Amino acid sequence: QVQLQESGPGLVKPSQTLSLTCTVSGGSISSGPYYWGWIRQHPGKGLEWIGYIYYSGSTYYNPSLQSRVTISKDTSKNQFSLRLSSVTAADTAVYYCARRMPVAGLFDYWGQGTLVTVSS
Amino acid sequence: DIQMTQSPSTLSASVGDRVTITCRASQSISSWLAWYQQKPGKAPKLLISKASSLESGVPSRFSGSGSGTEFTLTIGCLQPDDFATYYCQQYKSYPYTFGQGTKLEIK
Repeated sequence: QVQLQESGPGLVKPSQTLSLTCTVSGGSISSGPYYWGWIRQHPGKGLEWIGYIYYSGSTYYNPSLQSRVTISKDTSKNQFSLRLSSVTAADTAVYYCARRMPVAGLFDYWGQGTLVTVSS
Repeated sequence: DIQMTQSPSTLSASVGDRVTITCRASQSISSWLAWYQQKPGKAPKLLISKASSLESGVPSRFSGSGSGTEFTLTIGCLQPDDFATYYCQQYKSYPYTFGQGTKLEIK
């Protein structure tokens, strides 16, 4: 059973960089053919796909965030990470890491989510 | 971007009712549509893929239909565990987009 767990600061100051890590257990992020990604949910709102990284290292980002987003992976720790630069209050959200299925763009396993608040 | 619009935003129903949620895409997405269920404080759970394929372990009272731009999620006989928020998601093209959600609440 694949499990994902987000970790990182719950409070980030405006203009700084949000950094989150997702630790995966029950499966290797380097063995393929899955994608490993991030989705966020603004308080009381819907879901927004941020991007993901393929097991090979290729990345795919939402164009609306592309200039500020970097997703990377550390296969030795079986983790992947999100960095979102120049944050504002509009980036306050619950951030989920999730596994995307290999053929279809569906997310079958999710972390529990972590709330990140952008505030001074 | 493909816009996904769900209706209604809120739906009040009773245990045992049959309910239908609609999701409309701003352009054709063929059958590349998924439905998720989310309960408060929890991550979304994948229910249906490719518009009508039930995921393993999902009760048969859930069903999905549609293609092109109009889709429906039907719950045949509401159970107490079904009261949650439901989201549709298109995966026809990047960026993947979700509907705004339909909150199913107890009448």
